[in-house]
Amino acid sequence: AQTVTQSQPEMSVQEAETVTLSCTYDTSESNYYLFWYKQPPSRQMILVIRQEAYKQQNATENRFSVNFQKAAKSFSLKISDSQLGDTAMYFCAFMKHVWAETSGSRLTFGEGTQLTVNP
Amino acid sequence: DVKVTQSSRYLVKRTGEKVFLECVQDMDHENMFWYRQDPGLGLRLIYFSYDVKMKEKGDIPEGYSVSREKKERFSLILESASTNQTSMYLCASSRPRRTEKLFFGSGTQLSVL
Repeated sequence: AQTVTQSQPEMSVQEAETVTLSCTYDTSESNYYLFWYKQPPSRQMILVIRQEAYKQQNATENRFSVNFQKAAKSFSLKISDSQLGDTAMYFCAFMKHVWAETSGSRLTFGEGTQLTVNP
Repeated sequence: DVKVTQSSRYLVKRTGEKVFLECVQDMDHENMFWYRQDPGLGLRLIYFSYDVKMKEKGDIPEGYSVSREKKERFSLILESASTNQTSMYLCASSRPRRTEKLFFGSGTQLSVL
């Protein structure tokens, strides 16, 4: 079974600064995906970024980037130039890669980190 | 625009009541999921379905059942609600083998008194 751990329940950052959210995971799988989801006060879950384990290059989406350390099983999210709209709960998630068409693979989520961006 | 709709945003029920949480998606997705979200625990998978009338237990299925009679609708049933089922419930859907592109509803906050 996979586990995902986010050790920072809450974090805060000043607007325009950079913040890094931590995530570690445990798995015996070799092929998998890692994700960061954002849940603002509206409760709508939004996919922020995705990393495929077989890719060594770290994923980047505009101001969001990850530091993927496969050997250390670490997957941190860096938010640059923080904006007030980045205030949200952030979840790290793991999904093993599946091949079967009829199999619905599942996401395993971490506990979440509440990020507050202060003006 | 892709849409996953949960019938209620807030729901208050009494202990022992039978509760139905409804979820409808308009994307013709095969996979549908029910998660519950609790502070400090993140999201935990209750049940998922990869086709009509097909279902599989997730990590915490006890006290819940599901129904998927039509492709677009996935219902979560609390047979006899208990206070420890007070939680936020999130529905999601995706295409087969494309679970990485999960589309979520806005959640139902259920309070069981």
